[in-house]
Amino acid sequence: SSELTQDPAVSVALGQTVRITCQGDSLRSYYASWYQQKPGQAPVLVIYGKNNRPSGIPDRFSGSSSGNTASLTITGAQAEDEADYYCNSRDSSGNPVFGGGTKLTVL
Amino acid sequence: EVQLVETGGGLIQPGGSLRLSCAASGFTVSSNYMSWVRQAPGKGLEWVSVIYSGGSTYYADSVKGRFTISRDNSKNTLYLQMNSLRAEDTAVYYCAREVGDGIANWFDPWGQGTLVTVSS
Repeated sequence: SSELTQDPAVSVALGQTVRITCQGDSLRSYYASWYQQKPGQAPVLVIYGKNNRPSGIPDRFSGSSSGNTASLTITGAQAEDEADYYCNSRDSSGNPVFGGGTKLTVL
Repeated sequence: EVQLVETGGGLIQPGGSLRLSCAASGFTVSSNYMSWVRQAPGKGLEWVSVIYSGGSTYYADSVKGRFTISRDNSKNTLYLQMNSLRAEDTAVYYCAREVGDGIANWFDPWGQGTLVTVSS
């Protein structure tokens, strides 16, 4: 079982705001990174560090953290944001670990 | 352009061996932390192994003693030698560069993945 917990599925109406969360004790010590994965494609980094976006990622994606919870927020969700989202941090051994993933549906 | 390209996947019988390769361009493998991450069909991402720039290696418990990560600096290529393969090793295997400062780490870029199917 993953040491990072995500809700399996979340839905959002087109143009609305959605928050995807990731919980784990390691998040008190490490920042989470977030990845978007569409069917048949490799994961793509969308948020890293405190709240940084790689080049090419729209500014509607943002990240935050509080205590043992990291959050990915999409402000004004678009149809193309429908995907699986994974958080990543460290486990108790200091090795990388991924959350179980959240399937985002844009209605 | 920073890029990773995996090769070597395929159909293999249980108990067999396979070696995956990950060719890098646009950066030097030996100067970076490089990981293998896998994804079983319909499942989430699972970290498999890492090789640090200094050469230290670490493995997930699920593959420890069966898989070996290595690199060839002259070819700027990362490898994953997989022995004693099991049905539960069936997955798409991705290589990825890990970047960060220890408190904030992330994987970028990722390769396109290579499918390993363990079945008789």
